Amino acid sequence: AQKITQTQPGMFVQEKEAVTLDCTYDTSDQSYGLFWYKQPSSGEMIFLIYQGSYDEQNATEGRYSLNFQKARKSANLVISASQLGDSAMYFCAMREGPGNTPLVFGKGTRLSVIA
Amino acid sequence: EAGVAQSPRYKIIEKRQSVAFWCNPISGHATLYWYQQILGQGPKLLIQFQNNGVVDDSQLPKDRFSAERLKGVDSTLKIQPAKLEDSAVYLCASSLAGLAGWEQFFGPGTRLTVL
Repeated sequence: AQKITQTQPGMFVQEKEAVTLDCTYDTSDQSYGLFWYKQPSSGEMIFLIYQGSYDEQNATEGRYSLNFQKARKSANLVISASQLGDSAMYFCAMREGPGNTPLVFGKGTRLSVIA
Repeated sequence: EAGVAQSPRYKIIEKRQSVAFWCNPISGHATLYWYQQILGQGPKLLIQFQNNGVVDDSQLPKDRFSAERLKGVDSTLKIQPAKLEDSAVYLCASSLAGLAGWEQFFGPGTRLTVL
């Protein structure tokens, strides 16, 4: 079974609108971390936001927020006020266990922002 | 602070040739990861080092791939002989050790094309 599932291969959003990118995960660990990365066409992986499994509040970083629903095992990324520069691939990833364990990535969602 | 450095950025080889990639992690980062990202997919872990020791190489195709981190700092990933399906971006990442290593920092990647 896939550990990270991103069901939206591609999404379109109008500039200045909000968009939600879906991510569900599968783990039996109690301690884990969830990440979202942005990958523009240049190829670098840009860290956006992190949510720990024990964090009670949803994470926020500027225009990015993570809608964490632990019982449903979902960790959706919300981007508010979309900008043309937000057009990129977005990957959801999970680290099982505490500390420096490897990341498991989903297949990604390609977001296109339309003017 | 300098980020994770990788070279070369691009490499084109013919099948059955050999190739090597180099990675220099962020200073002080004990943990180093190599990920393979095939086009249209998320990155997949190949190998994880802690200092100069291998932590996880379960997904490394050991018949053709090898990696080393002899002095616990920079690392080399080698493919010999290359196959068409090895065409991918090879990402190096580093993190602190232990619980402080929750965040991984990615290099710009090496894009390999095997003809």
